[in-house]
Amino acid sequence: ETGVTQSPTHLIKTRGQQVTLRCSSQSGHNTVSWYQQALGQGPQFIFQYYREEENGRGNFPPRFSGLQFPNYSSELNVNALELDDSALYLCASSLGTSGSDEQFFGPGTRLTVL
Amino acid sequence: AQKITQTQPGMFVQEKEAVTLDCTYDTSDPSYGLFWYKQPSSGEMIFLIYQGSYDQQNATEGRYSLNFQKARKSANLVISASQLGDSAMYFCAMREGNQGAQKLVFGQGTRLTINP
Repeated sequence: ETGVTQSPTHLIKTRGQQVTLRCSSQSGHNTVSWYQQALGQGPQFIFQYYREEENGRGNFPPRFSGLQFPNYSSELNVNALELDDSALYLCASSLGTSGSDEQFFGPGTRLTVL
Repeated sequence: AQKITQTQPGMFVQEKEAVTLDCTYDTSDPSYGLFWYKQPSSGEMIFLIYQGSYDQQNATEGRYSLNFQKARKSANLVISASQLGDSAMYFCAMREGNQGAQKLVFGQGTRLTINP
C-alpha cells in the first residue's frame, strides 16, 4: 500500500510568484485535505477535496486554490506569494469524510518565499 | 477562542519513564473526535491515537493511551516506558461534527525530549 506522497520536497520562490504543490493520496482514499504549518505552530486547515469537489475551506484568501483529479491526487496553487506564505504545506488523505476517518499525512512541502 | 490548548511548550523526560502531555479542548458540538499526532523533525505527521466523543473507554494503542475526561474537556496523551525515538513534537487535534468537511483543528504542540 503506497502512502501519501508530496512534491516537491522543498521550494524557494520570490514574492509575487505563483506556486503549485502536488499530493498523491493513499491508495483507495478519495478525500484530500491541505494544511499550512508555519514555523513553531500547529497546522492550519486550508481546504478539503472530496471526489473532485471542494468540500470545505478554512480562513485562507482566494489566492489559495486547489484541484482534485479523477485519480484523487490533488494540487494546491498559491498566487501572488507573500513572505508569510513561507511554511510547511501538508497534504492528508482519508477514505471518506466520516467523523472517525483517520487522515494520513504526507511528508510535506517546505515553501520558502523570499 | 482557542479550540485546542496545549499548555506545555516543552517537556524533558528520562528514558523509560512515563510522560503525560496535556490537551484541553473547547467545543459545543456533542459529536467530535480527538487525535494525537507525532511530528519528528522530518515533518511528517504520524497518527498515534483517536478518541471519539461517544467512546465509553479510553483509547489505547500500544504504549500510547488517552486519558479522556469529557466533563473537564481534556484529552491527555500518556506515553508509557518512553524511548529515545519518542523525541518529537506532539500535536493534539480535534474534529467537530460528523458531516461535511472533516477539518482538524490543531493545538500549538509540545516538544518532547527524551534524555538517555
